[in-house]
Amino acid sequence: DQQVKQNSPSLSVQEGRISILNCDYTNSMFDYFLWYKKYPAEGPTFLISISSIKDKNEDGRFTVFLNKSAKHLSLHIVPSQPGDSAVYFCAASHTGANSKLTFGKGITLSVRP
Amino acid sequence: DSGVTQTPKHLITATGQRVTLRCSPRSGDLSVYWYQQSLDQGLQFLIQYYNGEERAKGNILERFSAQQFPDLHSELNLSSLELGDSALYFCASSGRDFPDEQYFGPGTRLTVT
Repeated sequence: DQQVKQNSPSLSVQEGRISILNCDYTNSMFDYFLWYKKYPAEGPTFLISISSIKDKNEDGRFTVFLNKSAKHLSLHIVPSQPGDSAVYFCAASHTGANSKLTFGKGITLSVRP
Repeated sequence: DSGVTQTPKHLITATGQRVTLRCSPRSGDLSVYWYQQSLDQGLQFLIQYYNGEERAKGNILERFSAQQFPDLHSELNLSSLELGDSALYFCASSGRDFPDEQYFGPGTRLTVT
């Protein structure tokens, strides 16, 4: 049972344009969401997070939007750069006992020069 | 470099065998998490330790076990190995007992033949 879904396995965008990566979740108990970036042969790297009390969080070129009613979040990268080409994982967790990060399967982003 | 180290980098072993994967967290981090990433799968949470105590458990098989030592390094033991156990195993660490921002090691690639 996939509680965090990244339905598009890949995305290709032109350098300088906006990249929008989507993520849906089913567990209404999730109250903290994160995005990780992963390059080949490396471990995932934390990118940005958002708490359920917010609907937007921005860090430089990266912005995460949260729509709690739709159980949907998205990561916007503006402008996209070739170095952004990587696999992006969406993850979610909840406060409370036995809390853990639940990851989606990832989206491969390719930014064309 | 995340500051999290994992050894070995690669491991090839036969079915039925037992292996131990090792993880050293970032300096000062008390939490250690173990994840499994199989082909076409996202990161599956296995288990978390915080300052030597088991804190959260995911879908970890009974053939797998882990521990965290007084110096905070952790070991993941996989026994009676099956072909399906072939995967990337990641360790992550964080400073808090809450699954928010985690720092991942480079992973151990296990191949069971």
